[in-house]
Amino acid sequence: QSVLTQPPSVSGAPGQSVTISCTGSSSNFGTGYGAYWYRQFPGQAPELLIYGDYNRAPGVPDRFSGSKFGTSASLVITGLQAEDEADYYCQSFDSGLRGVIFGGGTKLIV
Amino acid sequence: QITLRETGPPLVKPTQTLILTCNFSGFSFDTSRVGVAWIRQPPGKALEWVALIFGDDDRRYSPSLNNRATITKDSSKNQVVLVLTNVDPVDTATYYCAHRGTWPNVGGLGFDSWGQGTPVSVS
Repeated sequence: QSVLTQPPSVSGAPGQSVTISCTGSSSNFGTGYGAYWYRQFPGQAPELLIYGDYNRAPGVPDRFSGSKFGTSASLVITGLQAEDEADYYCQSFDSGLRGVIFGGGTKLIV
Repeated sequence: QITLRETGPPLVKPTQTLILTCNFSGFSFDTSRVGVAWIRQPPGKALEWVALIFGDDDRRYSPSLNNRATITKDSSKNQVVLVLTNVDPVDTATYYCAHRGTWPNVGGLGFDSWGQGTPVSVS
């Protein structure tokens, strides 16, 4: 059971937009700890997409955007492309656990 | 450019001790904000944080490991080592080491560079 809750899967047609939600609590997002998003292709290491809630990592296209409000964060991907099909993870820090927390991951199907 | 590379045994027996090494380049543990974490991923499952060490030697561990993990750093060798005792088949996973990003005016803690991972099977 992950501390951060993500939908197991989302899907969208090429060109459409999708939103991946990440629900936390008062001891992580609610305290102000940042939301981070990673993409992972099969058999590869995760790569950073978004840091500090909404900042894109170098080289990440502006089709990817992040936001956070209260105890939830979201990743929006616009203009879906076939190559966006991957697993996406949210991550933060939890003051109660005094450690790093991950969501359970969301498989994006294009 | 930051690079990290994990090495370790691909197979260990239950109750044995697992030792993993992360060799890195492109940064040094020169401030308390610098950190390296171990993160693992069981086959077909989600990412799971294991341990984290900072430049001031502050160390954090996942409570789920029940005090079986120890993380250390050797700044002279540019290495971070994870020791996991009394391993069990549930510890079977790909283990990644990752560099904590140090962006200015950014809250929280995230990882901007990852190694390629090393698979470990406990059987």
